[in-house]
Amino acid sequence: EPEVTQTPSHQVTQMGQEVILRCVPISNHLYFYWYRQILGQKVEFLVSFYNNEISEKSEIFDDQFSVERPDGSNFTLKIRSTKLEDSAMYFCASRRTSGETDTQYFGPGTRLTVL
Amino acid sequence: DQQVKQNSPSLSVQEGRISILNCDYTNSMFDYFLWYKKYPAEGPTFLISISSIKDKNEDGRFTVFLNKSAKHLSLHIVPSQPGDSAVYFCAASGARGATNKLIFGTGTLLAVQP
Repeated sequence: EPEVTQTPSHQVTQMGQEVILRCVPISNHLYFYWYRQILGQKVEFLVSFYNNEISEKSEIFDDQFSVERPDGSNFTLKIRSTKLEDSAMYFCASRRTSGETDTQYFGPGTRLTVL
Repeated sequence: DQQVKQNSPSLSVQEGRISILNCDYTNSMFDYFLWYKKYPAEGPTFLISISSIKDKNEDGRFTVFLNKSAKHLSLHIVPSQPGDSAVYFCAASGARGATNKLIFGTGTLLAVQP
């Protein structure tokens, strides 16, 4: 069964450093998302991406964040200058169609630890 | 912004009995609801969903009920099995064009005792 994959599974970085989190969505999916979950809190929406552009972003997704689909298979989340409060699990998700009832499928997540 | 609430942080059930997990929402624009199961250090796994035009959807041991007037949905698992022990998240999305971002509840930790 096709699945969303994410690399790395765990990333440790120093505050102020740039990180890139990578995702490979399910191959015939057209809509892509990043969510995050800070330890002990709920899963929060960050950004949605369709047709090579951001379709919606949350208040969390400020100028330090960017997303890209560089090669038609990967979907990346970049944090330019990490802060301590960026430490969280980051989940990529994808969805096949524009149907409002279509389900989002999640990857296993990347645990980002900012020291 | 508590648009989706799961008021029970944990639930303990005996194997073979019914597990009932509850979720409330406040935004009447939500029209699609999903339940995800999550193990520690893994991503949410889709379980079952329901559209607002229905009041019940069943898939094997899992049934989701939607009460739109009360803005309440519930997930029933019967019979419960030890492998069902996990955190269960309720999520909702609204008719906002192509975005369909999910708004999650805080989760309920289900423990099924053998």
